[in-house]
Amino acid sequence: KAGVTQTPRYLIKTRGQQVTLSCSPISGHRSVSWYQQTPGQGLQFLFEYFSETQRNKGNFPGRFSGRQFSNSRSEMNVSTLELGDSALYLCASSLLGQGSYEQYFGPGTRLTVT
Amino acid sequence: GENVEQHPSTLSVQEGDSAVIKCTYSDSASNYFPWYKQELGKGPQLIIDIRSNVGEKKDQRIAVTLNKTAKHFSLHITETQPEDSAVYFCAASTNTGNQFYFGTGTSLTVIP
Repeated sequence: KAGVTQTPRYLIKTRGQQVTLSCSPISGHRSVSWYQQTPGQGLQFLFEYFSETQRNKGNFPGRFSGRQFSNSRSEMNVSTLELGDSALYLCASSLLGQGSYEQYFGPGTRLTVT
Repeated sequence: GENVEQHPSTLSVQEGDSAVIKCTYSDSASNYFPWYKQELGKGPQLIIDIRSNVGEKKDQRIAVTLNKTAKHFSLHITETQPEDSAVYFCAASTNTGNQFYFGTGTSLTVIP
């Protein structure tokens, strides 16, 4: 079974721009969570989607948004990029809501804001 | 909200020795505790997990223990090998399971 895939793997953007990251979960997984990983703050929860609905959201500004499609693929968008948004963005899929808590992470998208 | 603390932040062991990483959590409602291994350039990989109705779980050289009363859980790696070198993260989640709180990570180096 294929794992969680994320595209693109690397991205360089300029401050003020916006960016969209994509995540394809493991087949059959309907829950997708997004995390931001930085050396200073570690892994921080952004939001979680299940069956196209956002069920939970972390403490990030409104510039961070996401959505999930009917095939469970998810995208996250960051508008008006700031230098501090440079990070590894990780997506994780799971069978949450389907009887299992186990989360499986993708390789991440490395975003650099200049 | 939940607060997960992890110690130590770095750990060096000789090949063949054991390694222990400890985490504490604050929310008594947390009941699922996974451990992840992250190698350079990769996403975290789930290596073992434990639920609050279990005190210990083993998988070959890896074991996790949970003390609900003290709100702490630990990862034990025996007979360490160089390929065990990585950053390890603990996490905690409540019954809904849709938000995980992570520790700050432990960088483990196994010296051949």
